[in-house]
Amino acid sequence: AQSVTQLGSHVSVSEGALVLLRCNYSSSVPPYLFWYVQYPNQGLQLLLKYTTGATLVKGINGFEAEFKKSETSFHLTKPSAHMSDAAEYFCAVYSGNTGKLIFGQGTTLQVKP
Amino acid sequence: DAGITQSPRHKVTETGTPVTLRCHQTENHRYMYWYRQDPGHGLRLIHYSYGVKDTDKGEVSDGYSVSRSKTEDFLLTLESATSSQTSVYFCAISESVHLNTEAFFGQGTRLTVV
Repeated sequence: AQSVTQLGSHVSVSEGALVLLRCNYSSSVPPYLFWYVQYPNQGLQLLLKYTTGATLVKGINGFEAEFKKSETSFHLTKPSAHMSDAAEYFCAVYSGNTGKLIFGQGTTLQVKP
Repeated sequence: DAGITQSPRHKVTETGTPVTLRCHQTENHRYMYWYRQDPGHGLRLIHYSYGVKDTDKGEVSDGYSVSRSKTEDFLLTLESATSSQTSVYFCAISESVHLNTEAFFGQGTRLTVV
């Protein structure tokens, strides 16, 4: 069965610093991987997705993620954090051919001035 | 924004009562999902549907049932609400995993069981 593990429930960075949010997945078939963001009291919106092809995926708001099959990882990065990036971030994987979408536990990003 | 409406948006109910949450979509998407969100647990899949009358269990399905009698509506029922079901519930829709499409989320329903 597919699963997702996000390392670190809380990450704190200074404004302008590198953001790195970690995600590892388990999948018996080539995975479809996603990063979502949730701002306070809102639903989730897609940041970026990996399906096939280029392993470095660019998303909205300057975020990107790299699919590394050998490490079963899909870490999210942003070169320079902005105060508006403070939110909760979720990594997700589609489960095989069933259409089941499984999420990780989430990582809360705090950005300090 | 994708056309997804959850109702009600807020509900307080008593332990032991049945509760039904509704998710309505106007996108004609095949897949529909119900999740619950709790601190420290992220989003956990309750049930999902891959077509009319086609549903399957997720990670935390005990105490919940679902129905999908038409493409646009996916109902989540708590048969007999318990305090452990106090949570924020999100509905999501997706056109097709094989088309590599994303899932779109509703605004959530905050349920409190007292």
